[in-house]
Amino acid sequence: DIQMTQSPSSLSASVGDRVTITCRASQGISNDLAWFQQKPGKAPKRLIYAASSVQSGVPSRFSGSGSGTEFTLTISSLQPEDFATFYCLQYNSYPRTFGQGTKLEIK
Amino acid sequence: EVQLVESGGGLVQPGRSLRLSCTASGFTFGDYTVTWFRQAPGKGLEWVGLIRGKTSGEPTEYAASVKGRFTISRDDSKSIAYLQMNSLKTEDTAVYYCTRDFPAVAYELWGQGTLVTVSA
Repeated sequence: DIQMTQSPSSLSASVGDRVTITCRASQGISNDLAWFQQKPGKAPKRLIYAASSVQSGVPSRFSGSGSGTEFTLTISSLQPEDFATFYCLQYNSYPRTFGQGTKLEIK
Repeated sequence: EVQLVESGGGLVQPGRSLRLSCTASGFTFGDYTVTWFRQAPGKGLEWVGLIRGKTSGEPTEYAASVKGRFTISRDDSKSIAYLQMNSLKTEDTAVYYCTRDFPAVAYELWGQGTLVTVSA
């Protein structure tokens, strides 16, 4: 199985801050990586797919990069509605595997 | 409206069975693979398994943690996918989500989830 190591596990930031979350895959997954945002009591919402393609309707402050084993999600200027938990997911092989999640909290 | 709606969750005793449903609308259900994920309370997301759409090859795949206990099936005439869960364990307690998969890319459509609680 491919292990996804996501960091940090939690992050405290302020509105307007630039934030970066990282996922590392235990083996190469090309660009078969997605990023999801999840708010309490809600289903995950896809933000990014194919490592860097932004889902339609997602604000342009969200961006993704990387290929192979190292990937990043960047939020360029945090807004109040962005505080949530974020997960990466590899869909290169089965079983699909997620990172452990990053809880983004207001400082 | 394109959507998925899960149903069938509830409280069940260890060792018993439960069947979840995932009802689709707004798209040609039979063309798509359906994937199930779950999330234990306060924990991260876990892939459970899938059932492929109109394609050749192995129709289903399962996570090791559920293989032999869970079965995924579908009724394309009703646009419903099922997750039959047998021999339930307390560690199966989770919110279960169904999602749309291939030929869509990377799970862009999710249901709202249904909670399964396995407890005596």
